[in-house]
Amino acid sequence: DVKVTQSSRYLVKRTGEKVFLECVQDMDHENMFWYRQDPGLGLRLIYFSYDVKMKEKGDIPEGYSVSREKKERFSLILESASTNQTSMYLCASSPRTSGGPNTGELFFGEGSRLTVL
Amino acid sequence: QQPVQSPQAVILREGEDAVINCSSSKALYSVHWYRQKHGEAPVFLMILLKGGEQKGHDKISASFNEKKQQSSLYLTASQLSYSGTYFCGTENIPTSYGKLTFGQGTILTVHP
Repeated sequence: DVKVTQSSRYLVKRTGEKVFLECVQDMDHENMFWYRQDPGLGLRLIYFSYDVKMKEKGDIPEGYSVSREKKERFSLILESASTNQTSMYLCASSPRTSGGPNTGELFFGEGSRLTVL
Repeated sequence: QQPVQSPQAVILREGEDAVINCSSSKALYSVHWYRQKHGEAPVFLMILLKGGEQKGHDKISASFNEKKQQSSLYLTASQLSYSGTYFCGTENIPTSYGKLTFGQGTILTVHP
């Protein structure tokens, strides 16, 4: 069974702390994504990666950075957490489609709910 | 820019039908539909591509009007298991990595 695992389901941090959110997939997927989910706003893309050490900004990258040192692992980093980063964070992965545009589904993790006090 | 979904919420009784719409202000290459049950990960339902190709769920259907930049998801004879939040995700240009922009979601509640 395919799996995307997010290391922490619930985290509580203080303003200014550095926060690491980890995501591991066991499907050998090339593409990995970090989304933020907020009520009424849906899912918004923070960063994505299409290969090891490669990263691209999404729609709301400010205040975040990412790291992809191994194919299976994609980390989201909040350098200095702020209260407006309180949210649900979802990691996803998908295979690269060779020879044409991507028609693959995204496989999501169950999410990490971060509260910044 | 995020696609706009309508309605924001819908309440049904078992057996009733529902339509969820997804509209974009830009030309679309593909539309993806996902369902998220409470406390769970979003799950892929289907993808519709420019030109008419579809891949996905047997019991849920969808349409894609390229000219109007819209997609609709049709849920017929709803079951309790259909409850959840439905998201459309769109791509404006084809890529090899499938970077999606999601709508704000539609909450569907099915009662017995």
